[in-house]
Amino acid sequence: NAGVTQTPKFQVLKTGQSMTLQCAQDMNHEYMSWYRQDPGMGLRLIHYSVGAGITDQGEVPNGYNVSRSTTEDFPLRLLLAAPSQTSVYFCASSSYTGELFFGEGSRLTVL
Amino acid sequence: AQSVTQLDSQVPVFEEAPVELRCNYSSSVSVYLFWYVQYPNQGLQLLLKYLSGSTLVKGINGFEAEFNKSQTSFHLRKPSVHISDTAEYFCAVSPNTDKLIFGTGTRLQVFP
Repeated sequence: NAGVTQTPKFQVLKTGQSMTLQCAQDMNHEYMSWYRQDPGMGLRLIHYSVGAGITDQGEVPNGYNVSRSTTEDFPLRLLLAAPSQTSVYFCASSSYTGELFFGEGSRLTVL
Repeated sequence: AQSVTQLDSQVPVFEEAPVELRCNYSSSVSVYLFWYVQYPNQGLQLLLKYLSGSTLVKGINGFEAEFNKSQTSFHLRKPSVHISDTAEYFCAVSPNTDKLIFGTGTRLQVFP
């Protein structure tokens, strides 16, 4: 049972480059979300989705785009990467039972 | 809007000693409360949750937490810790069950 799968696990970008962090879940969860984790700041919600075709902004959405074309996938796009986006990114999903299932994280460095 | 304050960024403790990790929240509406644990280089996993009912909630690995509405607190406790409990612990609040707002985390370090 794969759960929530994130790719890539590590990525180094130059300022101004773009990339997509992939997230897929095989639990048929309606709710999916993206968080970033920075030292001393905990996890902050970037974007979330309550179902296919529906997305909304979280606490720190600037510089990120998302889409939800299928129930399984919720990619996070960085269009113009900046050093401030150096972080560890976590994707999570839920079936509204009060438990988020997290992926293992994607560590992004922007030079 | 909701917010979460974890008062201690680090808690050192010896093995088999009791531990309490503190969490306070602010919210103008009823909320759900959660504790998650993160082991090194891993994602987060749920320890326990308070949705309704009894204010004393028991979770995995011998942890428990008590919801105190008057003090807006949800402190996490364990009567006797093990080396394997060394990890970072996050308190979270949500107006529903999924759009969680996390605290800044408490690093629990258990020494032999």
